[in-house]
Amino acid sequence: QAVVTQEPSLTVSPGGTVTLTCGSSTGAVTSGHYPFWFQQKPGQVPTTLIYDTSNKHSWTPARFSGSLVGGKAALTLSDAQSEDEAEYYCLLSYSGVLLFGGGTKLTVL
Amino acid sequence: QVQLQESGPGLVKPSETLSLTCTVSGGSVGSGRYYWSWIRQAPGKGLEYIGYIYDSGSTKYNPSLKSRVTISLDTSKKQFSLKLSSVTAADTAVYYCAKGKGDYWGQGTLVTVSS
Repeated sequence: QAVVTQEPSLTVSPGGTVTLTCGSSTGAVTSGHYPFWFQQKPGQVPTTLIYDTSNKHSWTPARFSGSLVGGKAALTLSDAQSEDEAEYYCLLSYSGVLLFGGGTKLTVL
Repeated sequence: QVQLQESGPGLVKPSETLSLTCTVSGGSVGSGRYYWSWIRQAPGKGLEYIGYIYDSGSTKYNPSLKSRVTISLDTSKKQFSLKLSSVTAADTAVYYCAKGKGDYWGQGTLVTVSS
């Protein structure tokens, strides 16, 4: 079974920019993995930020963007705010089998 | 606005079958356009995808759980269900239902496996 990898933790300064990545043990992540990104704050239900690599929902703040970089899916946060401190999960599709990454704890400090 | 609500026992004994239902409101079920997911999160841990069912009734499960999981759909009641057999303490988690891969989520329900 494939393993989806994420940085365990990252720190960004308020107003700064940070990129979270999502890799696959099977090789390069492509648009065919339909990468999703979720945000989960403590005690809350996860919310979808990005779907199918780079698409945003109506509720996704403009400072979040998704892309493919260096064989990985990437979530870039620009102009980080204190309310962006959360756990971020990516989700990849392997011929319809969906697997989450282990999550990245993002600290805004 | 689609809303989802999980329901079912909060306590299940080891070796028994965990059964949960998700009721969908504010949207159509069975129209052939969507799929419906179950996701879980053990206390203090990350998210784990359990599986999903299409409006057509076809399913896809996480290989690590496939032998124990059944997801079904009742379009007349606008509900879909999860059954997880032979549970152990490792199956203790908050169980979420969701539309699609997670466009909309239920609030989650904690299921504890304990005798």
